[in-house]
Formats: sequence, C-alpha cells, structure tokens
Amino acid sequence: DAKTTQPNSMESNEEEPVHLPCNHSTISGTDYIHWYRQLPSQGPEYVIHGLTSNVNNRMASLAIAEDRKSSTLILHRATLRDAAVYYCILRPQGGSEKLVFGKGTKLTVNP
Amino acid sequence: DVKVTQSSRYLVKRTGEKVFLECVQDMDHENMFWYRQDPGLGLRLIYFSYDVKMKEKGDIPEGYSVSREKKERFSLILESASTNQTSMYLCASYPLGVGFSQKYTDTQYFGPGTRLTVL
Repeated sequence: DAKTTQPNSMESNEEEPVHLPCNHSTISGTDYIHWYRQLPSQGPEYVIHGLTSNVNNRMASLAIAEDRKSSTLILHRATLRDAAVYYCILRPQGGSEKLVFGKGTKLTVNP
Repeated sequence: DVKVTQSSRYLVKRTGEKVFLECVQDMDHENMFWYRQDPGLGLRLIYFSYDVKMKEKGDIPEGYSVSREKKERFSLILESASTNQTSMYLCASYPLGVGFSQKYTDTQYFGPGTRLTVL
C-alpha cells in the first residue's frame, strides 16, 4: 500500500495561513490524494482531494508537487475550530478499496 | 447528507464478554470499514467489506470478526473481549470506485465513534 509521511504536530496562530505537508514518494500515477481531518471527539471528515492539479474549496487548498511525490494542505486563515488531526491518504485504483491512514498531523491553533 | 451511525457512543464491558458494535449507513455504499484509534497510533484498519457477505482483513484483525448480512449494516464482533481492546472504534463507508470514473473522488464518511472500555 502506498504510504504517506506527515509531521507529528504543527502549531499556528489564529488568522494566519497554515501549510500542512505530506510526502508520498511511492505514489502511483493514478492514485488520488485525499485529506481528512478529525476534530476532537469526532470521526474524521473529508477536507479536499486532488490528482495532479492544485485544488481549492471552501475549506482549504491543496497544492500538489509536479512530480506528485508530495502535497501541501493550505488553510488560508486558521481559526480555533481548525484545531484537529489532519490525515493525508492515497486512494489506490484497482484491487483493494481500503484506505491507509497514517498517524496524521496534530494542528494546534493559538488564539 | 450521508449518515453513518454507530450503535453506541460509549460502552463498558468485562473481560471475556462477547461484544457487538453495530454500524449502519444510509447511502447504499458498497464499502464499509472498521477502524480502531489509539493515542499515538492513528487509525488502524481492522476489517473491511466491499459487498454483502464479503469481508477482508485489514492490518489488525486478530481478536475481531465481522458480519455483513445487509448492505447497510456492518457489525464488528469481539468474541471474547480483552483489556487491550479498549479503544475508540470508528466505522466508515464509501461507494465502490471503478476505474478512472469520478467515483474515485468520492469521500469516505465516518461515524461518530464508539469508545469501548473493557474492564
């Protein structure tokens, strides 16, 4: 299974941008990159996904490196509600449908 | 909105008891998953199912079994609960992905979790 590597934790100040990195050097050509986050005492929730091009939605932006071996989730203005564990995962095509979650990055947002 | 519900938010059982954790989704999804989550270890996949009566082992299936008799329901069974199975259990579902179709962009939907304590 393709694996991802993320920092264990990051810290940010409220209203500042946050860049959460993810390395996925063994990504295959057709794997989608998905990001989820888990707020305290809740199940994970979807944030954003992409394949090759950068993506924006109301929650965040996803910047994907040209070689696709890394990506960055961008929160443009962090709020206290963004404090969560962020997971970067790869959705494999063909074969098993299972997704592999790593340990994620715990984001702390300071007021 | 997709809803994934789990039978209990909190559960306390004794060592040796048989424990059933139920998960129901209302969006006709083919794939369903059971994870456990422990501090410092992230989410670990226990079992998943891609169709009724079909199941596959995840990364940590030992001590667990599953049942999928109906498409919308996926049960996790602890045949004889042990203290090391104290954990947060999360159920998830998403539709079947096919080739390069847009379904590969579908997201996985999680339930709220069941915090199981085995005494």
